[in-house]
Amino acid sequence: QKEVEQDPGPLSVPEGAIVSLNCTYSNSAFQYFMWYRQYSRKGPELLMYTYSSGNKEDGRFTAQVDKSSKYISLFIRDSQPSDSATYLCATTDTGGFKTIFGAGTRLFVKA
Amino acid sequence: GAGVSQSPSNKVTEKGKDVELRCDPISGHTALYWYRQRLGQGLEFLIYFQGNSAPDKSGLPSDRFSAERTGESVSTLTIQRTQQEDSAVYLCASSLPPGQGVFNYGYTFGSGTRLTVV
Repeated sequence: QKEVEQDPGPLSVPEGAIVSLNCTYSNSAFQYFMWYRQYSRKGPELLMYTYSSGNKEDGRFTAQVDKSSKYISLFIRDSQPSDSATYLCATTDTGGFKTIFGAGTRLFVKA
Repeated sequence: GAGVSQSPSNKVTEKGKDVELRCDPISGHTALYWYRQRLGQGLEFLIYFQGNSAPDKSGLPSDRFSAERTGESVSTLTIQRTQQEDSAVYLCASSLPPGQGVFNYGYTFGSGTRLTVV
């Protein structure tokens, strides 16, 4: 079993739709949860992070963590064609020396 | 520099040859990481440096892979006797040391070196 599981997609939605991206993880020691966005032929860039359980909102993006079910979510409201990218969930423990990444979900937002 | 710089951006090499990939981290970022990303797959951890010390080399796939770092600066990833399964994008990232500051678990990635072994 992989430490972080993520559906690779692809996921195709019309412009303006609400997008839900999800991951599950196996290690209860993980404390920090992150979402990275990766455009084609670029390195991933940090989009959002959360610590432990709860929600965090940043503009059109909301990150959600449920530690009881080991479930990580990213919601994108009013999706735009510029949101088309691969979204990778990631997590690390308090040591933080090694971040574990999901496989990434490829998102297409159609104009 | 302003970001993490990797060179070359693309490398095509013949099977059996050695290759050296370079990473210039952000100035002041003492932590440096190498990941491998195969086509359509997630990031695979290779090695982590804190300064020029490598506390975690657990991800190196075989003894053909090695990495060095000079002080808190440039790192090189060397792959000897390349094989076709080594074809991937090799990503380097840097960060402040884990546990320092408000949040230092986010990495700044370079654009990667796309390695093709033919």
